[in-house]
Amino acid sequence: AQSVTQLDSHVSVSEGTPVLLRCNYSSSYSPSLFWYVQHPNKGLQLLLKYTSAATLVKGINGFEAEFKKSETSFHLTKPSAHMSDAAEYFCVVTRDDKIIFGKGTRLHILP
Amino acid sequence: DAGVIQSPRHEVTEMGQEVTLRCKPISGHDYLFWYRQTMMRGLELLIYFNNNVPIDDSGMPEDRFSAKMPNASFSTLKIQPSEPRDSAVYFCASRRTGSQETQYFGPGTRLLVL
Repeated sequence: AQSVTQLDSHVSVSEGTPVLLRCNYSSSYSPSLFWYVQHPNKGLQLLLKYTSAATLVKGINGFEAEFKKSETSFHLTKPSAHMSDAAEYFCVVTRDDKIIFGKGTRLHILP
Repeated sequence: DAGVIQSPRHEVTEMGQEVTLRCKPISGHDYLFWYRQTMMRGLELLIYFNNNVPIDDSGMPEDRFSAKMPNASFSTLKIQPSEPRDSAVYFCASRRTGSQETQYFGPGTRLLVL
């Protein structure tokens, strides 16, 4: 069975400081993993995805994520937060037809 | 590419009325998904189609909800009769076959049932 856990429902960081949003997954087989971002009153937009080609995945807006099989993690990072990064972030795992969304992490950026 | 198109973007209706939400997936995508998002329950998968055929409707809350996909370029989600607890944002998404394929989301329909 597949599952995905986002460890923090809210994360607050100061503008210009690093961002870390944590995601752990459970999957019997090699999964495909995604991060989506949802800005207020908007739809979900793909940030990046892991599909077994490379463990370090670079996405849009300076975000990246590293797939660590030994830790079953796919944490999202960004070196320097910007005010426009304030949004909700979803970690997603898929396998064949199955798609599982995490409960989301709301990122707050402090001025 | 126009992306996934949903209409209407906003809908306000009274309890007991029928509500129909519409979705046009991206051309060439053979999977279509309907989601509901609320503050209380987060993002929930309601139903998804493959090649116009419903594959899993276990997320549909009750018989008041129904979804159809008469062709590859159009799907509807209907609520009849609507209730205030149906108030939510409803998203449609589509993708190509393959779990590595990206799922693209529409802008959503914000539904308010009074």
